[in-house]
Amino acid sequence: NAGVTQTPKFQVLKTGQSMTLQCAQDMNHNSMYWYRQDPGMGLRLIYYSASEGTTDKGEVPNGYNVSRLNKREFSLRLESAAPSQTSVYFCASTQQGANYGYTFGSGTRLTVV
Amino acid sequence: AQSVTQLGSHVSVSEGALVLLRCNYSSSVPPYLFWYVQYPNQGLQLLLKYTSAATLVKGINGFEAEFKKSETSFHLTKPSAHMSDAAEYFCAVSGGSNYKLTFGKGTLLTVNP
Repeated sequence: NAGVTQTPKFQVLKTGQSMTLQCAQDMNHNSMYWYRQDPGMGLRLIYYSASEGTTDKGEVPNGYNVSRLNKREFSLRLESAAPSQTSVYFCASTQQGANYGYTFGSGTRLTVV
Repeated sequence: AQSVTQLGSHVSVSEGALVLLRCNYSSSVPPYLFWYVQYPNQGLQLLLKYTSAATLVKGINGFEAEFKKSETSFHLTKPSAHMSDAAEYFCAVSGGSNYKLTFGKGTLLTVNP
């Protein structure tokens, strides 16, 4: 019972480098989400995918792109990393229904220098 | 639109004392409300959720929360704090389209021996 798996767990990038954060869930959930967590800011939604084949912007989408590869996988890409993107990134998924709540991955800690 | 306000970014209690973490919400539709807990360097774990079935909701680890519509509140309580309760707690609201969760900024709970 893996739930939501995120890779990598840690990453250090130089300014301007690109990378993709991977997320996969094995619960047959329809909806998937990417959040970033910064001290004192709580979790802020970057992008989400309500169902396979759809993606939409959240609260803080600038500097990011996403791909819903299939029902299981939802990746987050930083095309040109900036120090302001230093954060902890969480992927989450839920069955389609507002009362289910989310299942979260364990996070990716990204540092951009 | 929805929002969550958690009163107090840091709460400190003695072991065995009452834990009270405050959450007020704003929602233009009937809300679903959640409390999540995050232990250091881990992802978020669902503590409990309100989905309109009962106003007093019991969760894991002895926590409970009461939905008060007139006060737009969903405060989290535990009668007797344990050292293992030390963590960050997030209140979240859902109810809009695509089941997006909006999180509060979090409350760090410290338990003193």
